[in-house]
Amino acid sequence: DAGITQSPRYKITETGRQVTLMCHQTWSHSYMFWYRQDLGHGLRLIYYSAAADITDKGEVPDGYVVSRSKTENFPLTLESATRSQTSVYFCASRTPTWEANEQFFGPGTRLTVL
Amino acid sequence: ELKVEQNPLFLSMQEGKNYTIYCNYSTTSDRLYWYRQDPGKSLESLFVLLSNGAVKQEGRLMASLDTKARLSTLHITAAVHDLSATYFCAVDGRRGATNKLIFGTGTLLAVQP
Repeated sequence: DAGITQSPRYKITETGRQVTLMCHQTWSHSYMFWYRQDLGHGLRLIYYSAAADITDKGEVPDGYVVSRSKTENFPLTLESATRSQTSVYFCASRTPTWEANEQFFGPGTRLTVL
Repeated sequence: ELKVEQNPLFLSMQEGKNYTIYCNYSTTSDRLYWYRQDPGKSLESLFVLLSNGAVKQEGRLMASLDTKARLSTLHITAAVHDLSATYFCAVDGRRGATNKLIFGTGTLLAVQP
């Protein structure tokens, strides 16, 4: 499918487990982003990547790890999940023009940490 | 640190009425974006505003940007139920470096028949 996809769409895990959320885009956008959405906080940037093998921290990176070995994939790993990481996670990618930072979002992954 | 504030946070309005959502931000930026989110769904890009005085319209929605006042507005004309959703504004985090968007907390719009 064209566009940006995330998997799984829903995930329940336990405290202390490692979890990886996947993100795949077919547009060949160089920039990709991970956000979490929580009530009262809007969307907060976790990590972003400017290109393969280039990543940088956002507002709330603690407890998360990212990698970008291929342009189209940008997985997010929770190394040891905590209850505070229960959230909806959105992946996004950006149009390639320098004038605008219009970002296109995936469908989201709802993660529950018990 | 860039902060983005939206108001109101919740808006209940009747069909056919007009209303405006406000987005204020705290530091200089000349790029602002509006998104729509339906319940349980992803974010959909509505408008991209790239300069002072920019105005964009799509159907019953019109967005404008005043970079001097650090203010964007999303005006709703003759609201219909289908416009019920949460609306977010987002601002580029650093002037000239378009890597990060800072989002407002969103405005939940409920249009009542």
